[in-house]
Amino acid sequence: EAQVTQNPRYLITVTGKKLTVTCSQNMNHEYMSWYRQDPGLGLRQIYYSMNVEVTDKGDVPEGYKVSRKEKRNFPLILESPSPNQTSLYFCASSPRTSGSNEQFFGPGTRLTVL
Amino acid sequence: DAKTTQPPSMDCAEGRAANLPCNHSTISGNEYVYWYRQIHSQGPQYIIHGLKNNETNEMASLIITEDRKSSTLILPHATLRDTAVYYCIVHAGGTSYGKLTFGQGTILTVHP
Repeated sequence: EAQVTQNPRYLITVTGKKLTVTCSQNMNHEYMSWYRQDPGLGLRQIYYSMNVEVTDKGDVPEGYKVSRKEKRNFPLILESPSPNQTSLYFCASSPRTSGSNEQFFGPGTRLTVL
Repeated sequence: DAKTTQPPSMDCAEGRAANLPCNHSTISGNEYVYWYRQIHSQGPQYIIHGLKNNETNEMASLIITEDRKSSTLILPHATLRDTAVYYCIVHAGGTSYGKLTFGQGTILTVHP
């Protein structure tokens, strides 16, 4: 089944404790992206990647890192999480071809930073 | 990428058509209009997209004005399960897009 998976789905952590949220897609998509969603603010893009080893900042990159060493994986790294990074996070992928470029979203990761 | 403007909320009676507007007055010639929806806190789901012509699929219809500065997503016979947040975004097609801006979307409530 074509899908985007995220792990963990739920995470409670403390300020300053490094964490990684994994994202994997099995559709051979070039484009991958991370979003955060907060009440009243909609979906905001954190980082995106147009291909392996190519990443760029979205609208809210501060406090986050990403890497794209393989086409299927795009982990989101919080080196020193803070309470303002408590949010619902979504990973998405897209083919970036001449046809439809619909984004396929993962199920989300709910992060709480105490 | 061009930005979009959507009403924060709309209501619709079950069985009636839901017409969700989106303004994208700064859209460029190579940018497509995409619509997604998000039910509760699930991952957003693609609905439909278009460039110039009106489009229809099994979920919805998309009407794009001739000047392409606005569009309307039409759910022809809304059901309670269509209650969701609907996002309109625009971006270039093919391999030309990178950063995407979703905005806050429209909360559609379908009532009995």
